[in-house]
Order: sequence, then structure tokens, then C-alpha cells
Amino acid sequence: AQTVTQSQPEMSVQEAETVTLSCTYDTSENNYYLFWYKQPPSRQMILVIRQEAYKQQNATENRFSVNFQKAAKSFSLKISDSQLGDTAMYFCAPPDGSEKLVFGKGTKLTVNP
Amino acid sequence: DADVTQTPRNRITKTGKRIMLECSQTKGHDRMYWYRQDPGLGLRLIYYSFDVKDINKGEISDGYSVSRQAQAKFSLSLESAIPNQTALYFCATSEGGLAVNTGELFFGEGSRLTVL
Repeated sequence: AQTVTQSQPEMSVQEAETVTLSCTYDTSENNYYLFWYKQPPSRQMILVIRQEAYKQQNATENRFSVNFQKAAKSFSLKISDSQLGDTAMYFCAPPDGSEKLVFGKGTKLTVNP
Repeated sequence: DADVTQTPRNRITKTGKRIMLECSQTKGHDRMYWYRQDPGLGLRLIYYSFDVKDINKGEISDGYSVSRQAQAKFSLSLESAIPNQTALYFCATSEGGLAVNTGELFFGEGSRLTVL
């Protein structure tokens, strides 16, 4: 079965600091996309960033960036200059090998003032 | 208006009752999904449909059924609800397979179901 591991169930960070959320996965696919979603207290699932596996350059979206290591099947999310609005659950979502996404169990991030 | 709409947003029901959660989308996507979210377990796939005539079981389909009434509509039914089906349910859509598109999921706002 496809596995996705987010090893940090909870994390906290001070406002304006940087935090990295880890994700490792297992897939047999070669060309694929990976995603990070966030779920704030409003419970809406929001796309944070996506990475195309065959691109060596790590994806960046404003304060959010990834460290993608394809061979190691690692896909971490870095949040720079953390803001109070970044407080949320964060889910890593790689493909499951059958054209669907599989989700990790999530990391609950709290940004403290 | 939201591109993916779920109804009801919140529902409290009793054990043994039949419940239907409905999902409609205006994104024109072929693929639709139902996920269940429980604390500490992430999102788990219940059923998915890659087009109107296609229905597939996901990881946790027992106790659930689905109907794809049209490209835009995908409903989830609990024939006889039980307390451990208390959860947050999400409908999602995607444009196509990874070979065609990114596989990015677009989510509804979720339906909170409580079974007493």
C-alpha cells in the first residue's frame, strides 16, 4: 500500500520565524506531481504549493517553498516569515500510483505571536 | 459561489438513519471523489469516479455507497448510519489523470456529520 509519512504531528513556531514540515512517501511512478494542502480552522482545504517530480528546481510560492529530493522520496515544506494566518493543519499529498492522491496524517502548525 | 458545493454543511442524525451527502461542481471536471477526515488520520478515500459511468471503491468504502448522477453531481450515502461514521466528509474534483494534468484536487467546504 502507498505510504505517506508526516513525522511531526504537531509543531509550533514564533511569528516571523521559519519552519520546515517534513514528508516522505513511496511511489512507483516516475513522472508525477506532489502537493501540500493546508486546512485552517475554517476547515477548508487549500492548495499551498505543488511540485512536478521531473523538475529539479524546487517550487516556490511567495513565503512557501519545498525541498524535493526525488531519489529519497522526500518532500518537505518550508514556511518563511511565519504569520499568524499560517496556523493550520498541513497535509502532504503525493500520488498513490493509480492517478489519485494519497494524504499524510497531517502536521498541526501553530504560529505564536 | 463555490466551484465545488457540498450539502448539507452540517448534519446531526441518529444511528440507523439513512443519510445522503450531495456534491455538485461547476468546474467541468470529469473526476470526482469522496474523502473522510478523522482527527489524526488525515483524509481517506471512500469512493471515486473518473467519469459518469465509472464508480470505484476507495480505501474505506464499507458502509457507504455513491451515485454519479451527472458529470457535475456525485452523492454519498450512508444506508444505515453508525456512530463511528461521525467525521468530516469532503467532496473533491480533478481535471484528469496525471498524464493529462497535474491531478490537483479542488475541494468542497466539507460536510460535518455527527451520528448519535
